[in-house]
Amino acid sequence: DAKTTQPPSMDCAEGRAANLPCNHSTISGNEYVYWYRQIHSQGPQYIIHGLKNNETNEMASLIITEDRKSSTLILPHATLRDTAVYYCIVRVASNTGNQFYFGTGTSLTVIP
Amino acid sequence: GAVVSQHPSRVICKSGTSVKIECRSLDFQATTMFWYRQFPKQSLMLMATSNEGSKATYEQGVEKDKFLINHASLTLSTLTVTSAHPEDSSFYICSVKTSGWTDTQYFGPGTRLTVL
Repeated sequence: DAKTTQPPSMDCAEGRAANLPCNHSTISGNEYVYWYRQIHSQGPQYIIHGLKNNETNEMASLIITEDRKSSTLILPHATLRDTAVYYCIVRVASNTGNQFYFGTGTSLTVIP
Repeated sequence: GAVVSQHPSRVICKSGTSVKIECRSLDFQATTMFWYRQFPKQSLMLMATSNEGSKATYEQGVEKDKFLINHASLTLSTLTVTSAHPEDSSFYICSVKTSGWTDTQYFGPGTRLTVL
């Protein structure tokens, strides 16, 4: 079962920063937070992941609170192509492969 | 990241037939692959974990005799939907797990199965 909760939908103006929140209050100390996005009828695309430090790459920034119970994905300058469903996932460590359990995600719509 | 392909991208079959879906890791040797399915307007549901050279581990509620998984090599895993029925119509997606500290999954483009 998913260990994260996200708002079902958000809008963002083109060119502005999109801030997508995620709650993972039951996260364990060694569990990573991953973010993926899925454009309609395609496979999910990896965005970023982190453990406890803030992370940044060419796509986005990930801000994790000090208690690790929540995080925020930041798309610094949203474009129309960023319209997608964004999933926040806590990786579950196991001896069979460290599974991902997807929640319902946030449907982000970037408005012109 | 790893590049993952799936074949076919779309398949339509008659009820009662079996359908095989291939998942290939094109640039990475994957000891672990995952299979998901996604119904319209829903999230991805993990079906099974596929480990090369051993039996797949199925999630609760997923029938292992209906969804046969074979991971015979480090670059290929197959999912066979046996005796397909209309309720099996779904979007099937595989992923490859990279090793190391990242342990990131990279997903294939998905296979749209329609059972008539």
